[in-house]
Amino acid sequence: NAGVMQNPRHLVRRRGQEARLRCSPMKGHSHVYWYRQLPEEGLKFMVYLQKENIIDESGMPKERFSAEFPKEGPSILRIQQVVRGDSAAYFCASSRLGLTDTQYFGPGTRLTVL
Amino acid sequence: EDQVTQSPEALRLQEGESSSLNCSYTVSGLRGLFWYRQDPGKGPEFLFTLYSAGEEKEKERLKATLTKKESFLHITAPKPEDSATYLCAAVRGNMLTFGGGTRLMVKP
Repeated sequence: NAGVMQNPRHLVRRRGQEARLRCSPMKGHSHVYWYRQLPEEGLKFMVYLQKENIIDESGMPKERFSAEFPKEGPSILRIQQVVRGDSAAYFCASSRLGLTDTQYFGPGTRLTVL
Repeated sequence: EDQVTQSPEALRLQEGESSSLNCSYTVSGLRGLFWYRQDPGKGPEFLFTLYSAGEEKEKERLKATLTKKESFLHITAPKPEDSATYLCAAVRGNMLTFGGGTRLMVKP
C-alpha cells in the first residue's frame, strides 16, 4: 500500500528556468493538496485539486505558478521562470473524501534555485 | 483573522518527563483539527484527527484532546525517538491552516 509519492526528491534550477514537481496520490485518493515550506517556516497551503478540477488556488501566487491534476497521471505543480525566493520544500498531500478527511503527505520535493 | 498558534516553539524534556503541547485556534466553524509529526527532511506524518470539543484520541505515548478554543497533545514518559516537530492544523474553508509547530527534543 504505497503512500503519496513525489518526484523528484531534490531539484536544482537556475534563475529563469522552469520547475516541474510531480505528485502521485495514494491509491483511491482523488483529492490532492500542495503546500510550501520555506526554511524555518511553517507549512503554507497553495492549492487544492480534485481530478481535473482546481477547487481552491487562493494560496498560490498568481504569476508563474500553476497546478493540474489530470484524469490520468500525477498531479503537477509547475513554476515558470523560477527565482531564488522559490527555494523551498514543496509537499503534496492526498485524501480520499475531501478536506475534512485525513491528508497523507508525501516526502516532499526540495527545490533549490541558484 | 483565522489563526492557529502553537506553544511552546521549542521544548526540551528528559526521557520520562511528561508534558503537553498546546495548539490554540481562532478558526470559526472548525471542521477538523489535525496533529502531525515531522522529522527533519521528511513529510508530515499523520497522528490524530479531532472533530468536536471533548473528543480525545490516544496512540502509544501520545494523547490528543480538543476544546472549543484549543487542542493539547500530551506526551507521557517520552523517549528520545519522540524527538520531532509536532504540527497542528485546522480545516478552514478549502484548506488546512498549520501552526508554526513545536520542536520537541527528548534527552536520554
